[in-house]
Amino acid sequence: RKEVEQDPGPFNVPEGATVAFNCTYSNSASQSFFWYRQDCRKEPKLLMSVYSSGNEDGRFTAQLNRASQYISLLIRDSKLSDSATYLCVVNMKSGGYNKLIFGAGTRLAVHP
Amino acid sequence: SQTIHQWPATLVQPVGSPLSLECTVEGTSNPNLYWYRQAAGRGLQLLFYSVGIGQISSEVPQNLSASRPQDRQFILSSKKLLLSDSGFYLCAWSVGQGEFFGPGTRLTVL
Repeated sequence: RKEVEQDPGPFNVPEGATVAFNCTYSNSASQSFFWYRQDCRKEPKLLMSVYSSGNEDGRFTAQLNRASQYISLLIRDSKLSDSATYLCVVNMKSGGYNKLIFGAGTRLAVHP
Repeated sequence: SQTIHQWPATLVQPVGSPLSLECTVEGTSNPNLYWYRQAAGRGLQLLFYSVGIGQISSEVPQNLSASRPQDRQFILSSKKLLLSDSGFYLCAWSVGQGEFFGPGTRLTVL
């Protein structure tokens, strides 16, 4: 089983739609969770951290379900500029050091 | 504010040639530094990480090596490139939560 699993998509949605991505992780000891956004042929950029209580940043809402070991990202009122690949990221302790494990990403394409 | 630089942006190298990619960070002290590789259509694979000068940990066996000669400088090297070394190489830094990436080097080995 992969450490972080995501549906690769693509999710094709019209502008204004609401879209949700899920991600599951295998290490129950993970304590930090993030969503990154990666545009085509660019570096990943931190979109938001994910907190246990859930958190919102404008049109983006992230939620964490520790019991089921899954993380979600909800995007409301999709814009054309939201088209990108969204990476689910989970931390893992390895040799006393915290390292991040990246999912392969979910592709989102927003069309007019 | 912190910035991270990588160069070159793109590189085409023949099989068997050496490689040196450089990454520098500004605006922070004693960051953790990382090298990742992303093959076409794949996720990020952590290659090396460093918690300080001269301290390098390797995540996967390969024909690459890394060095950290200064606090804010991280270098990825190879003596002889393989076709399978093609990919998008990303340097990242962190001082706590989350990691922040440089613009990357797109390497094509022919």
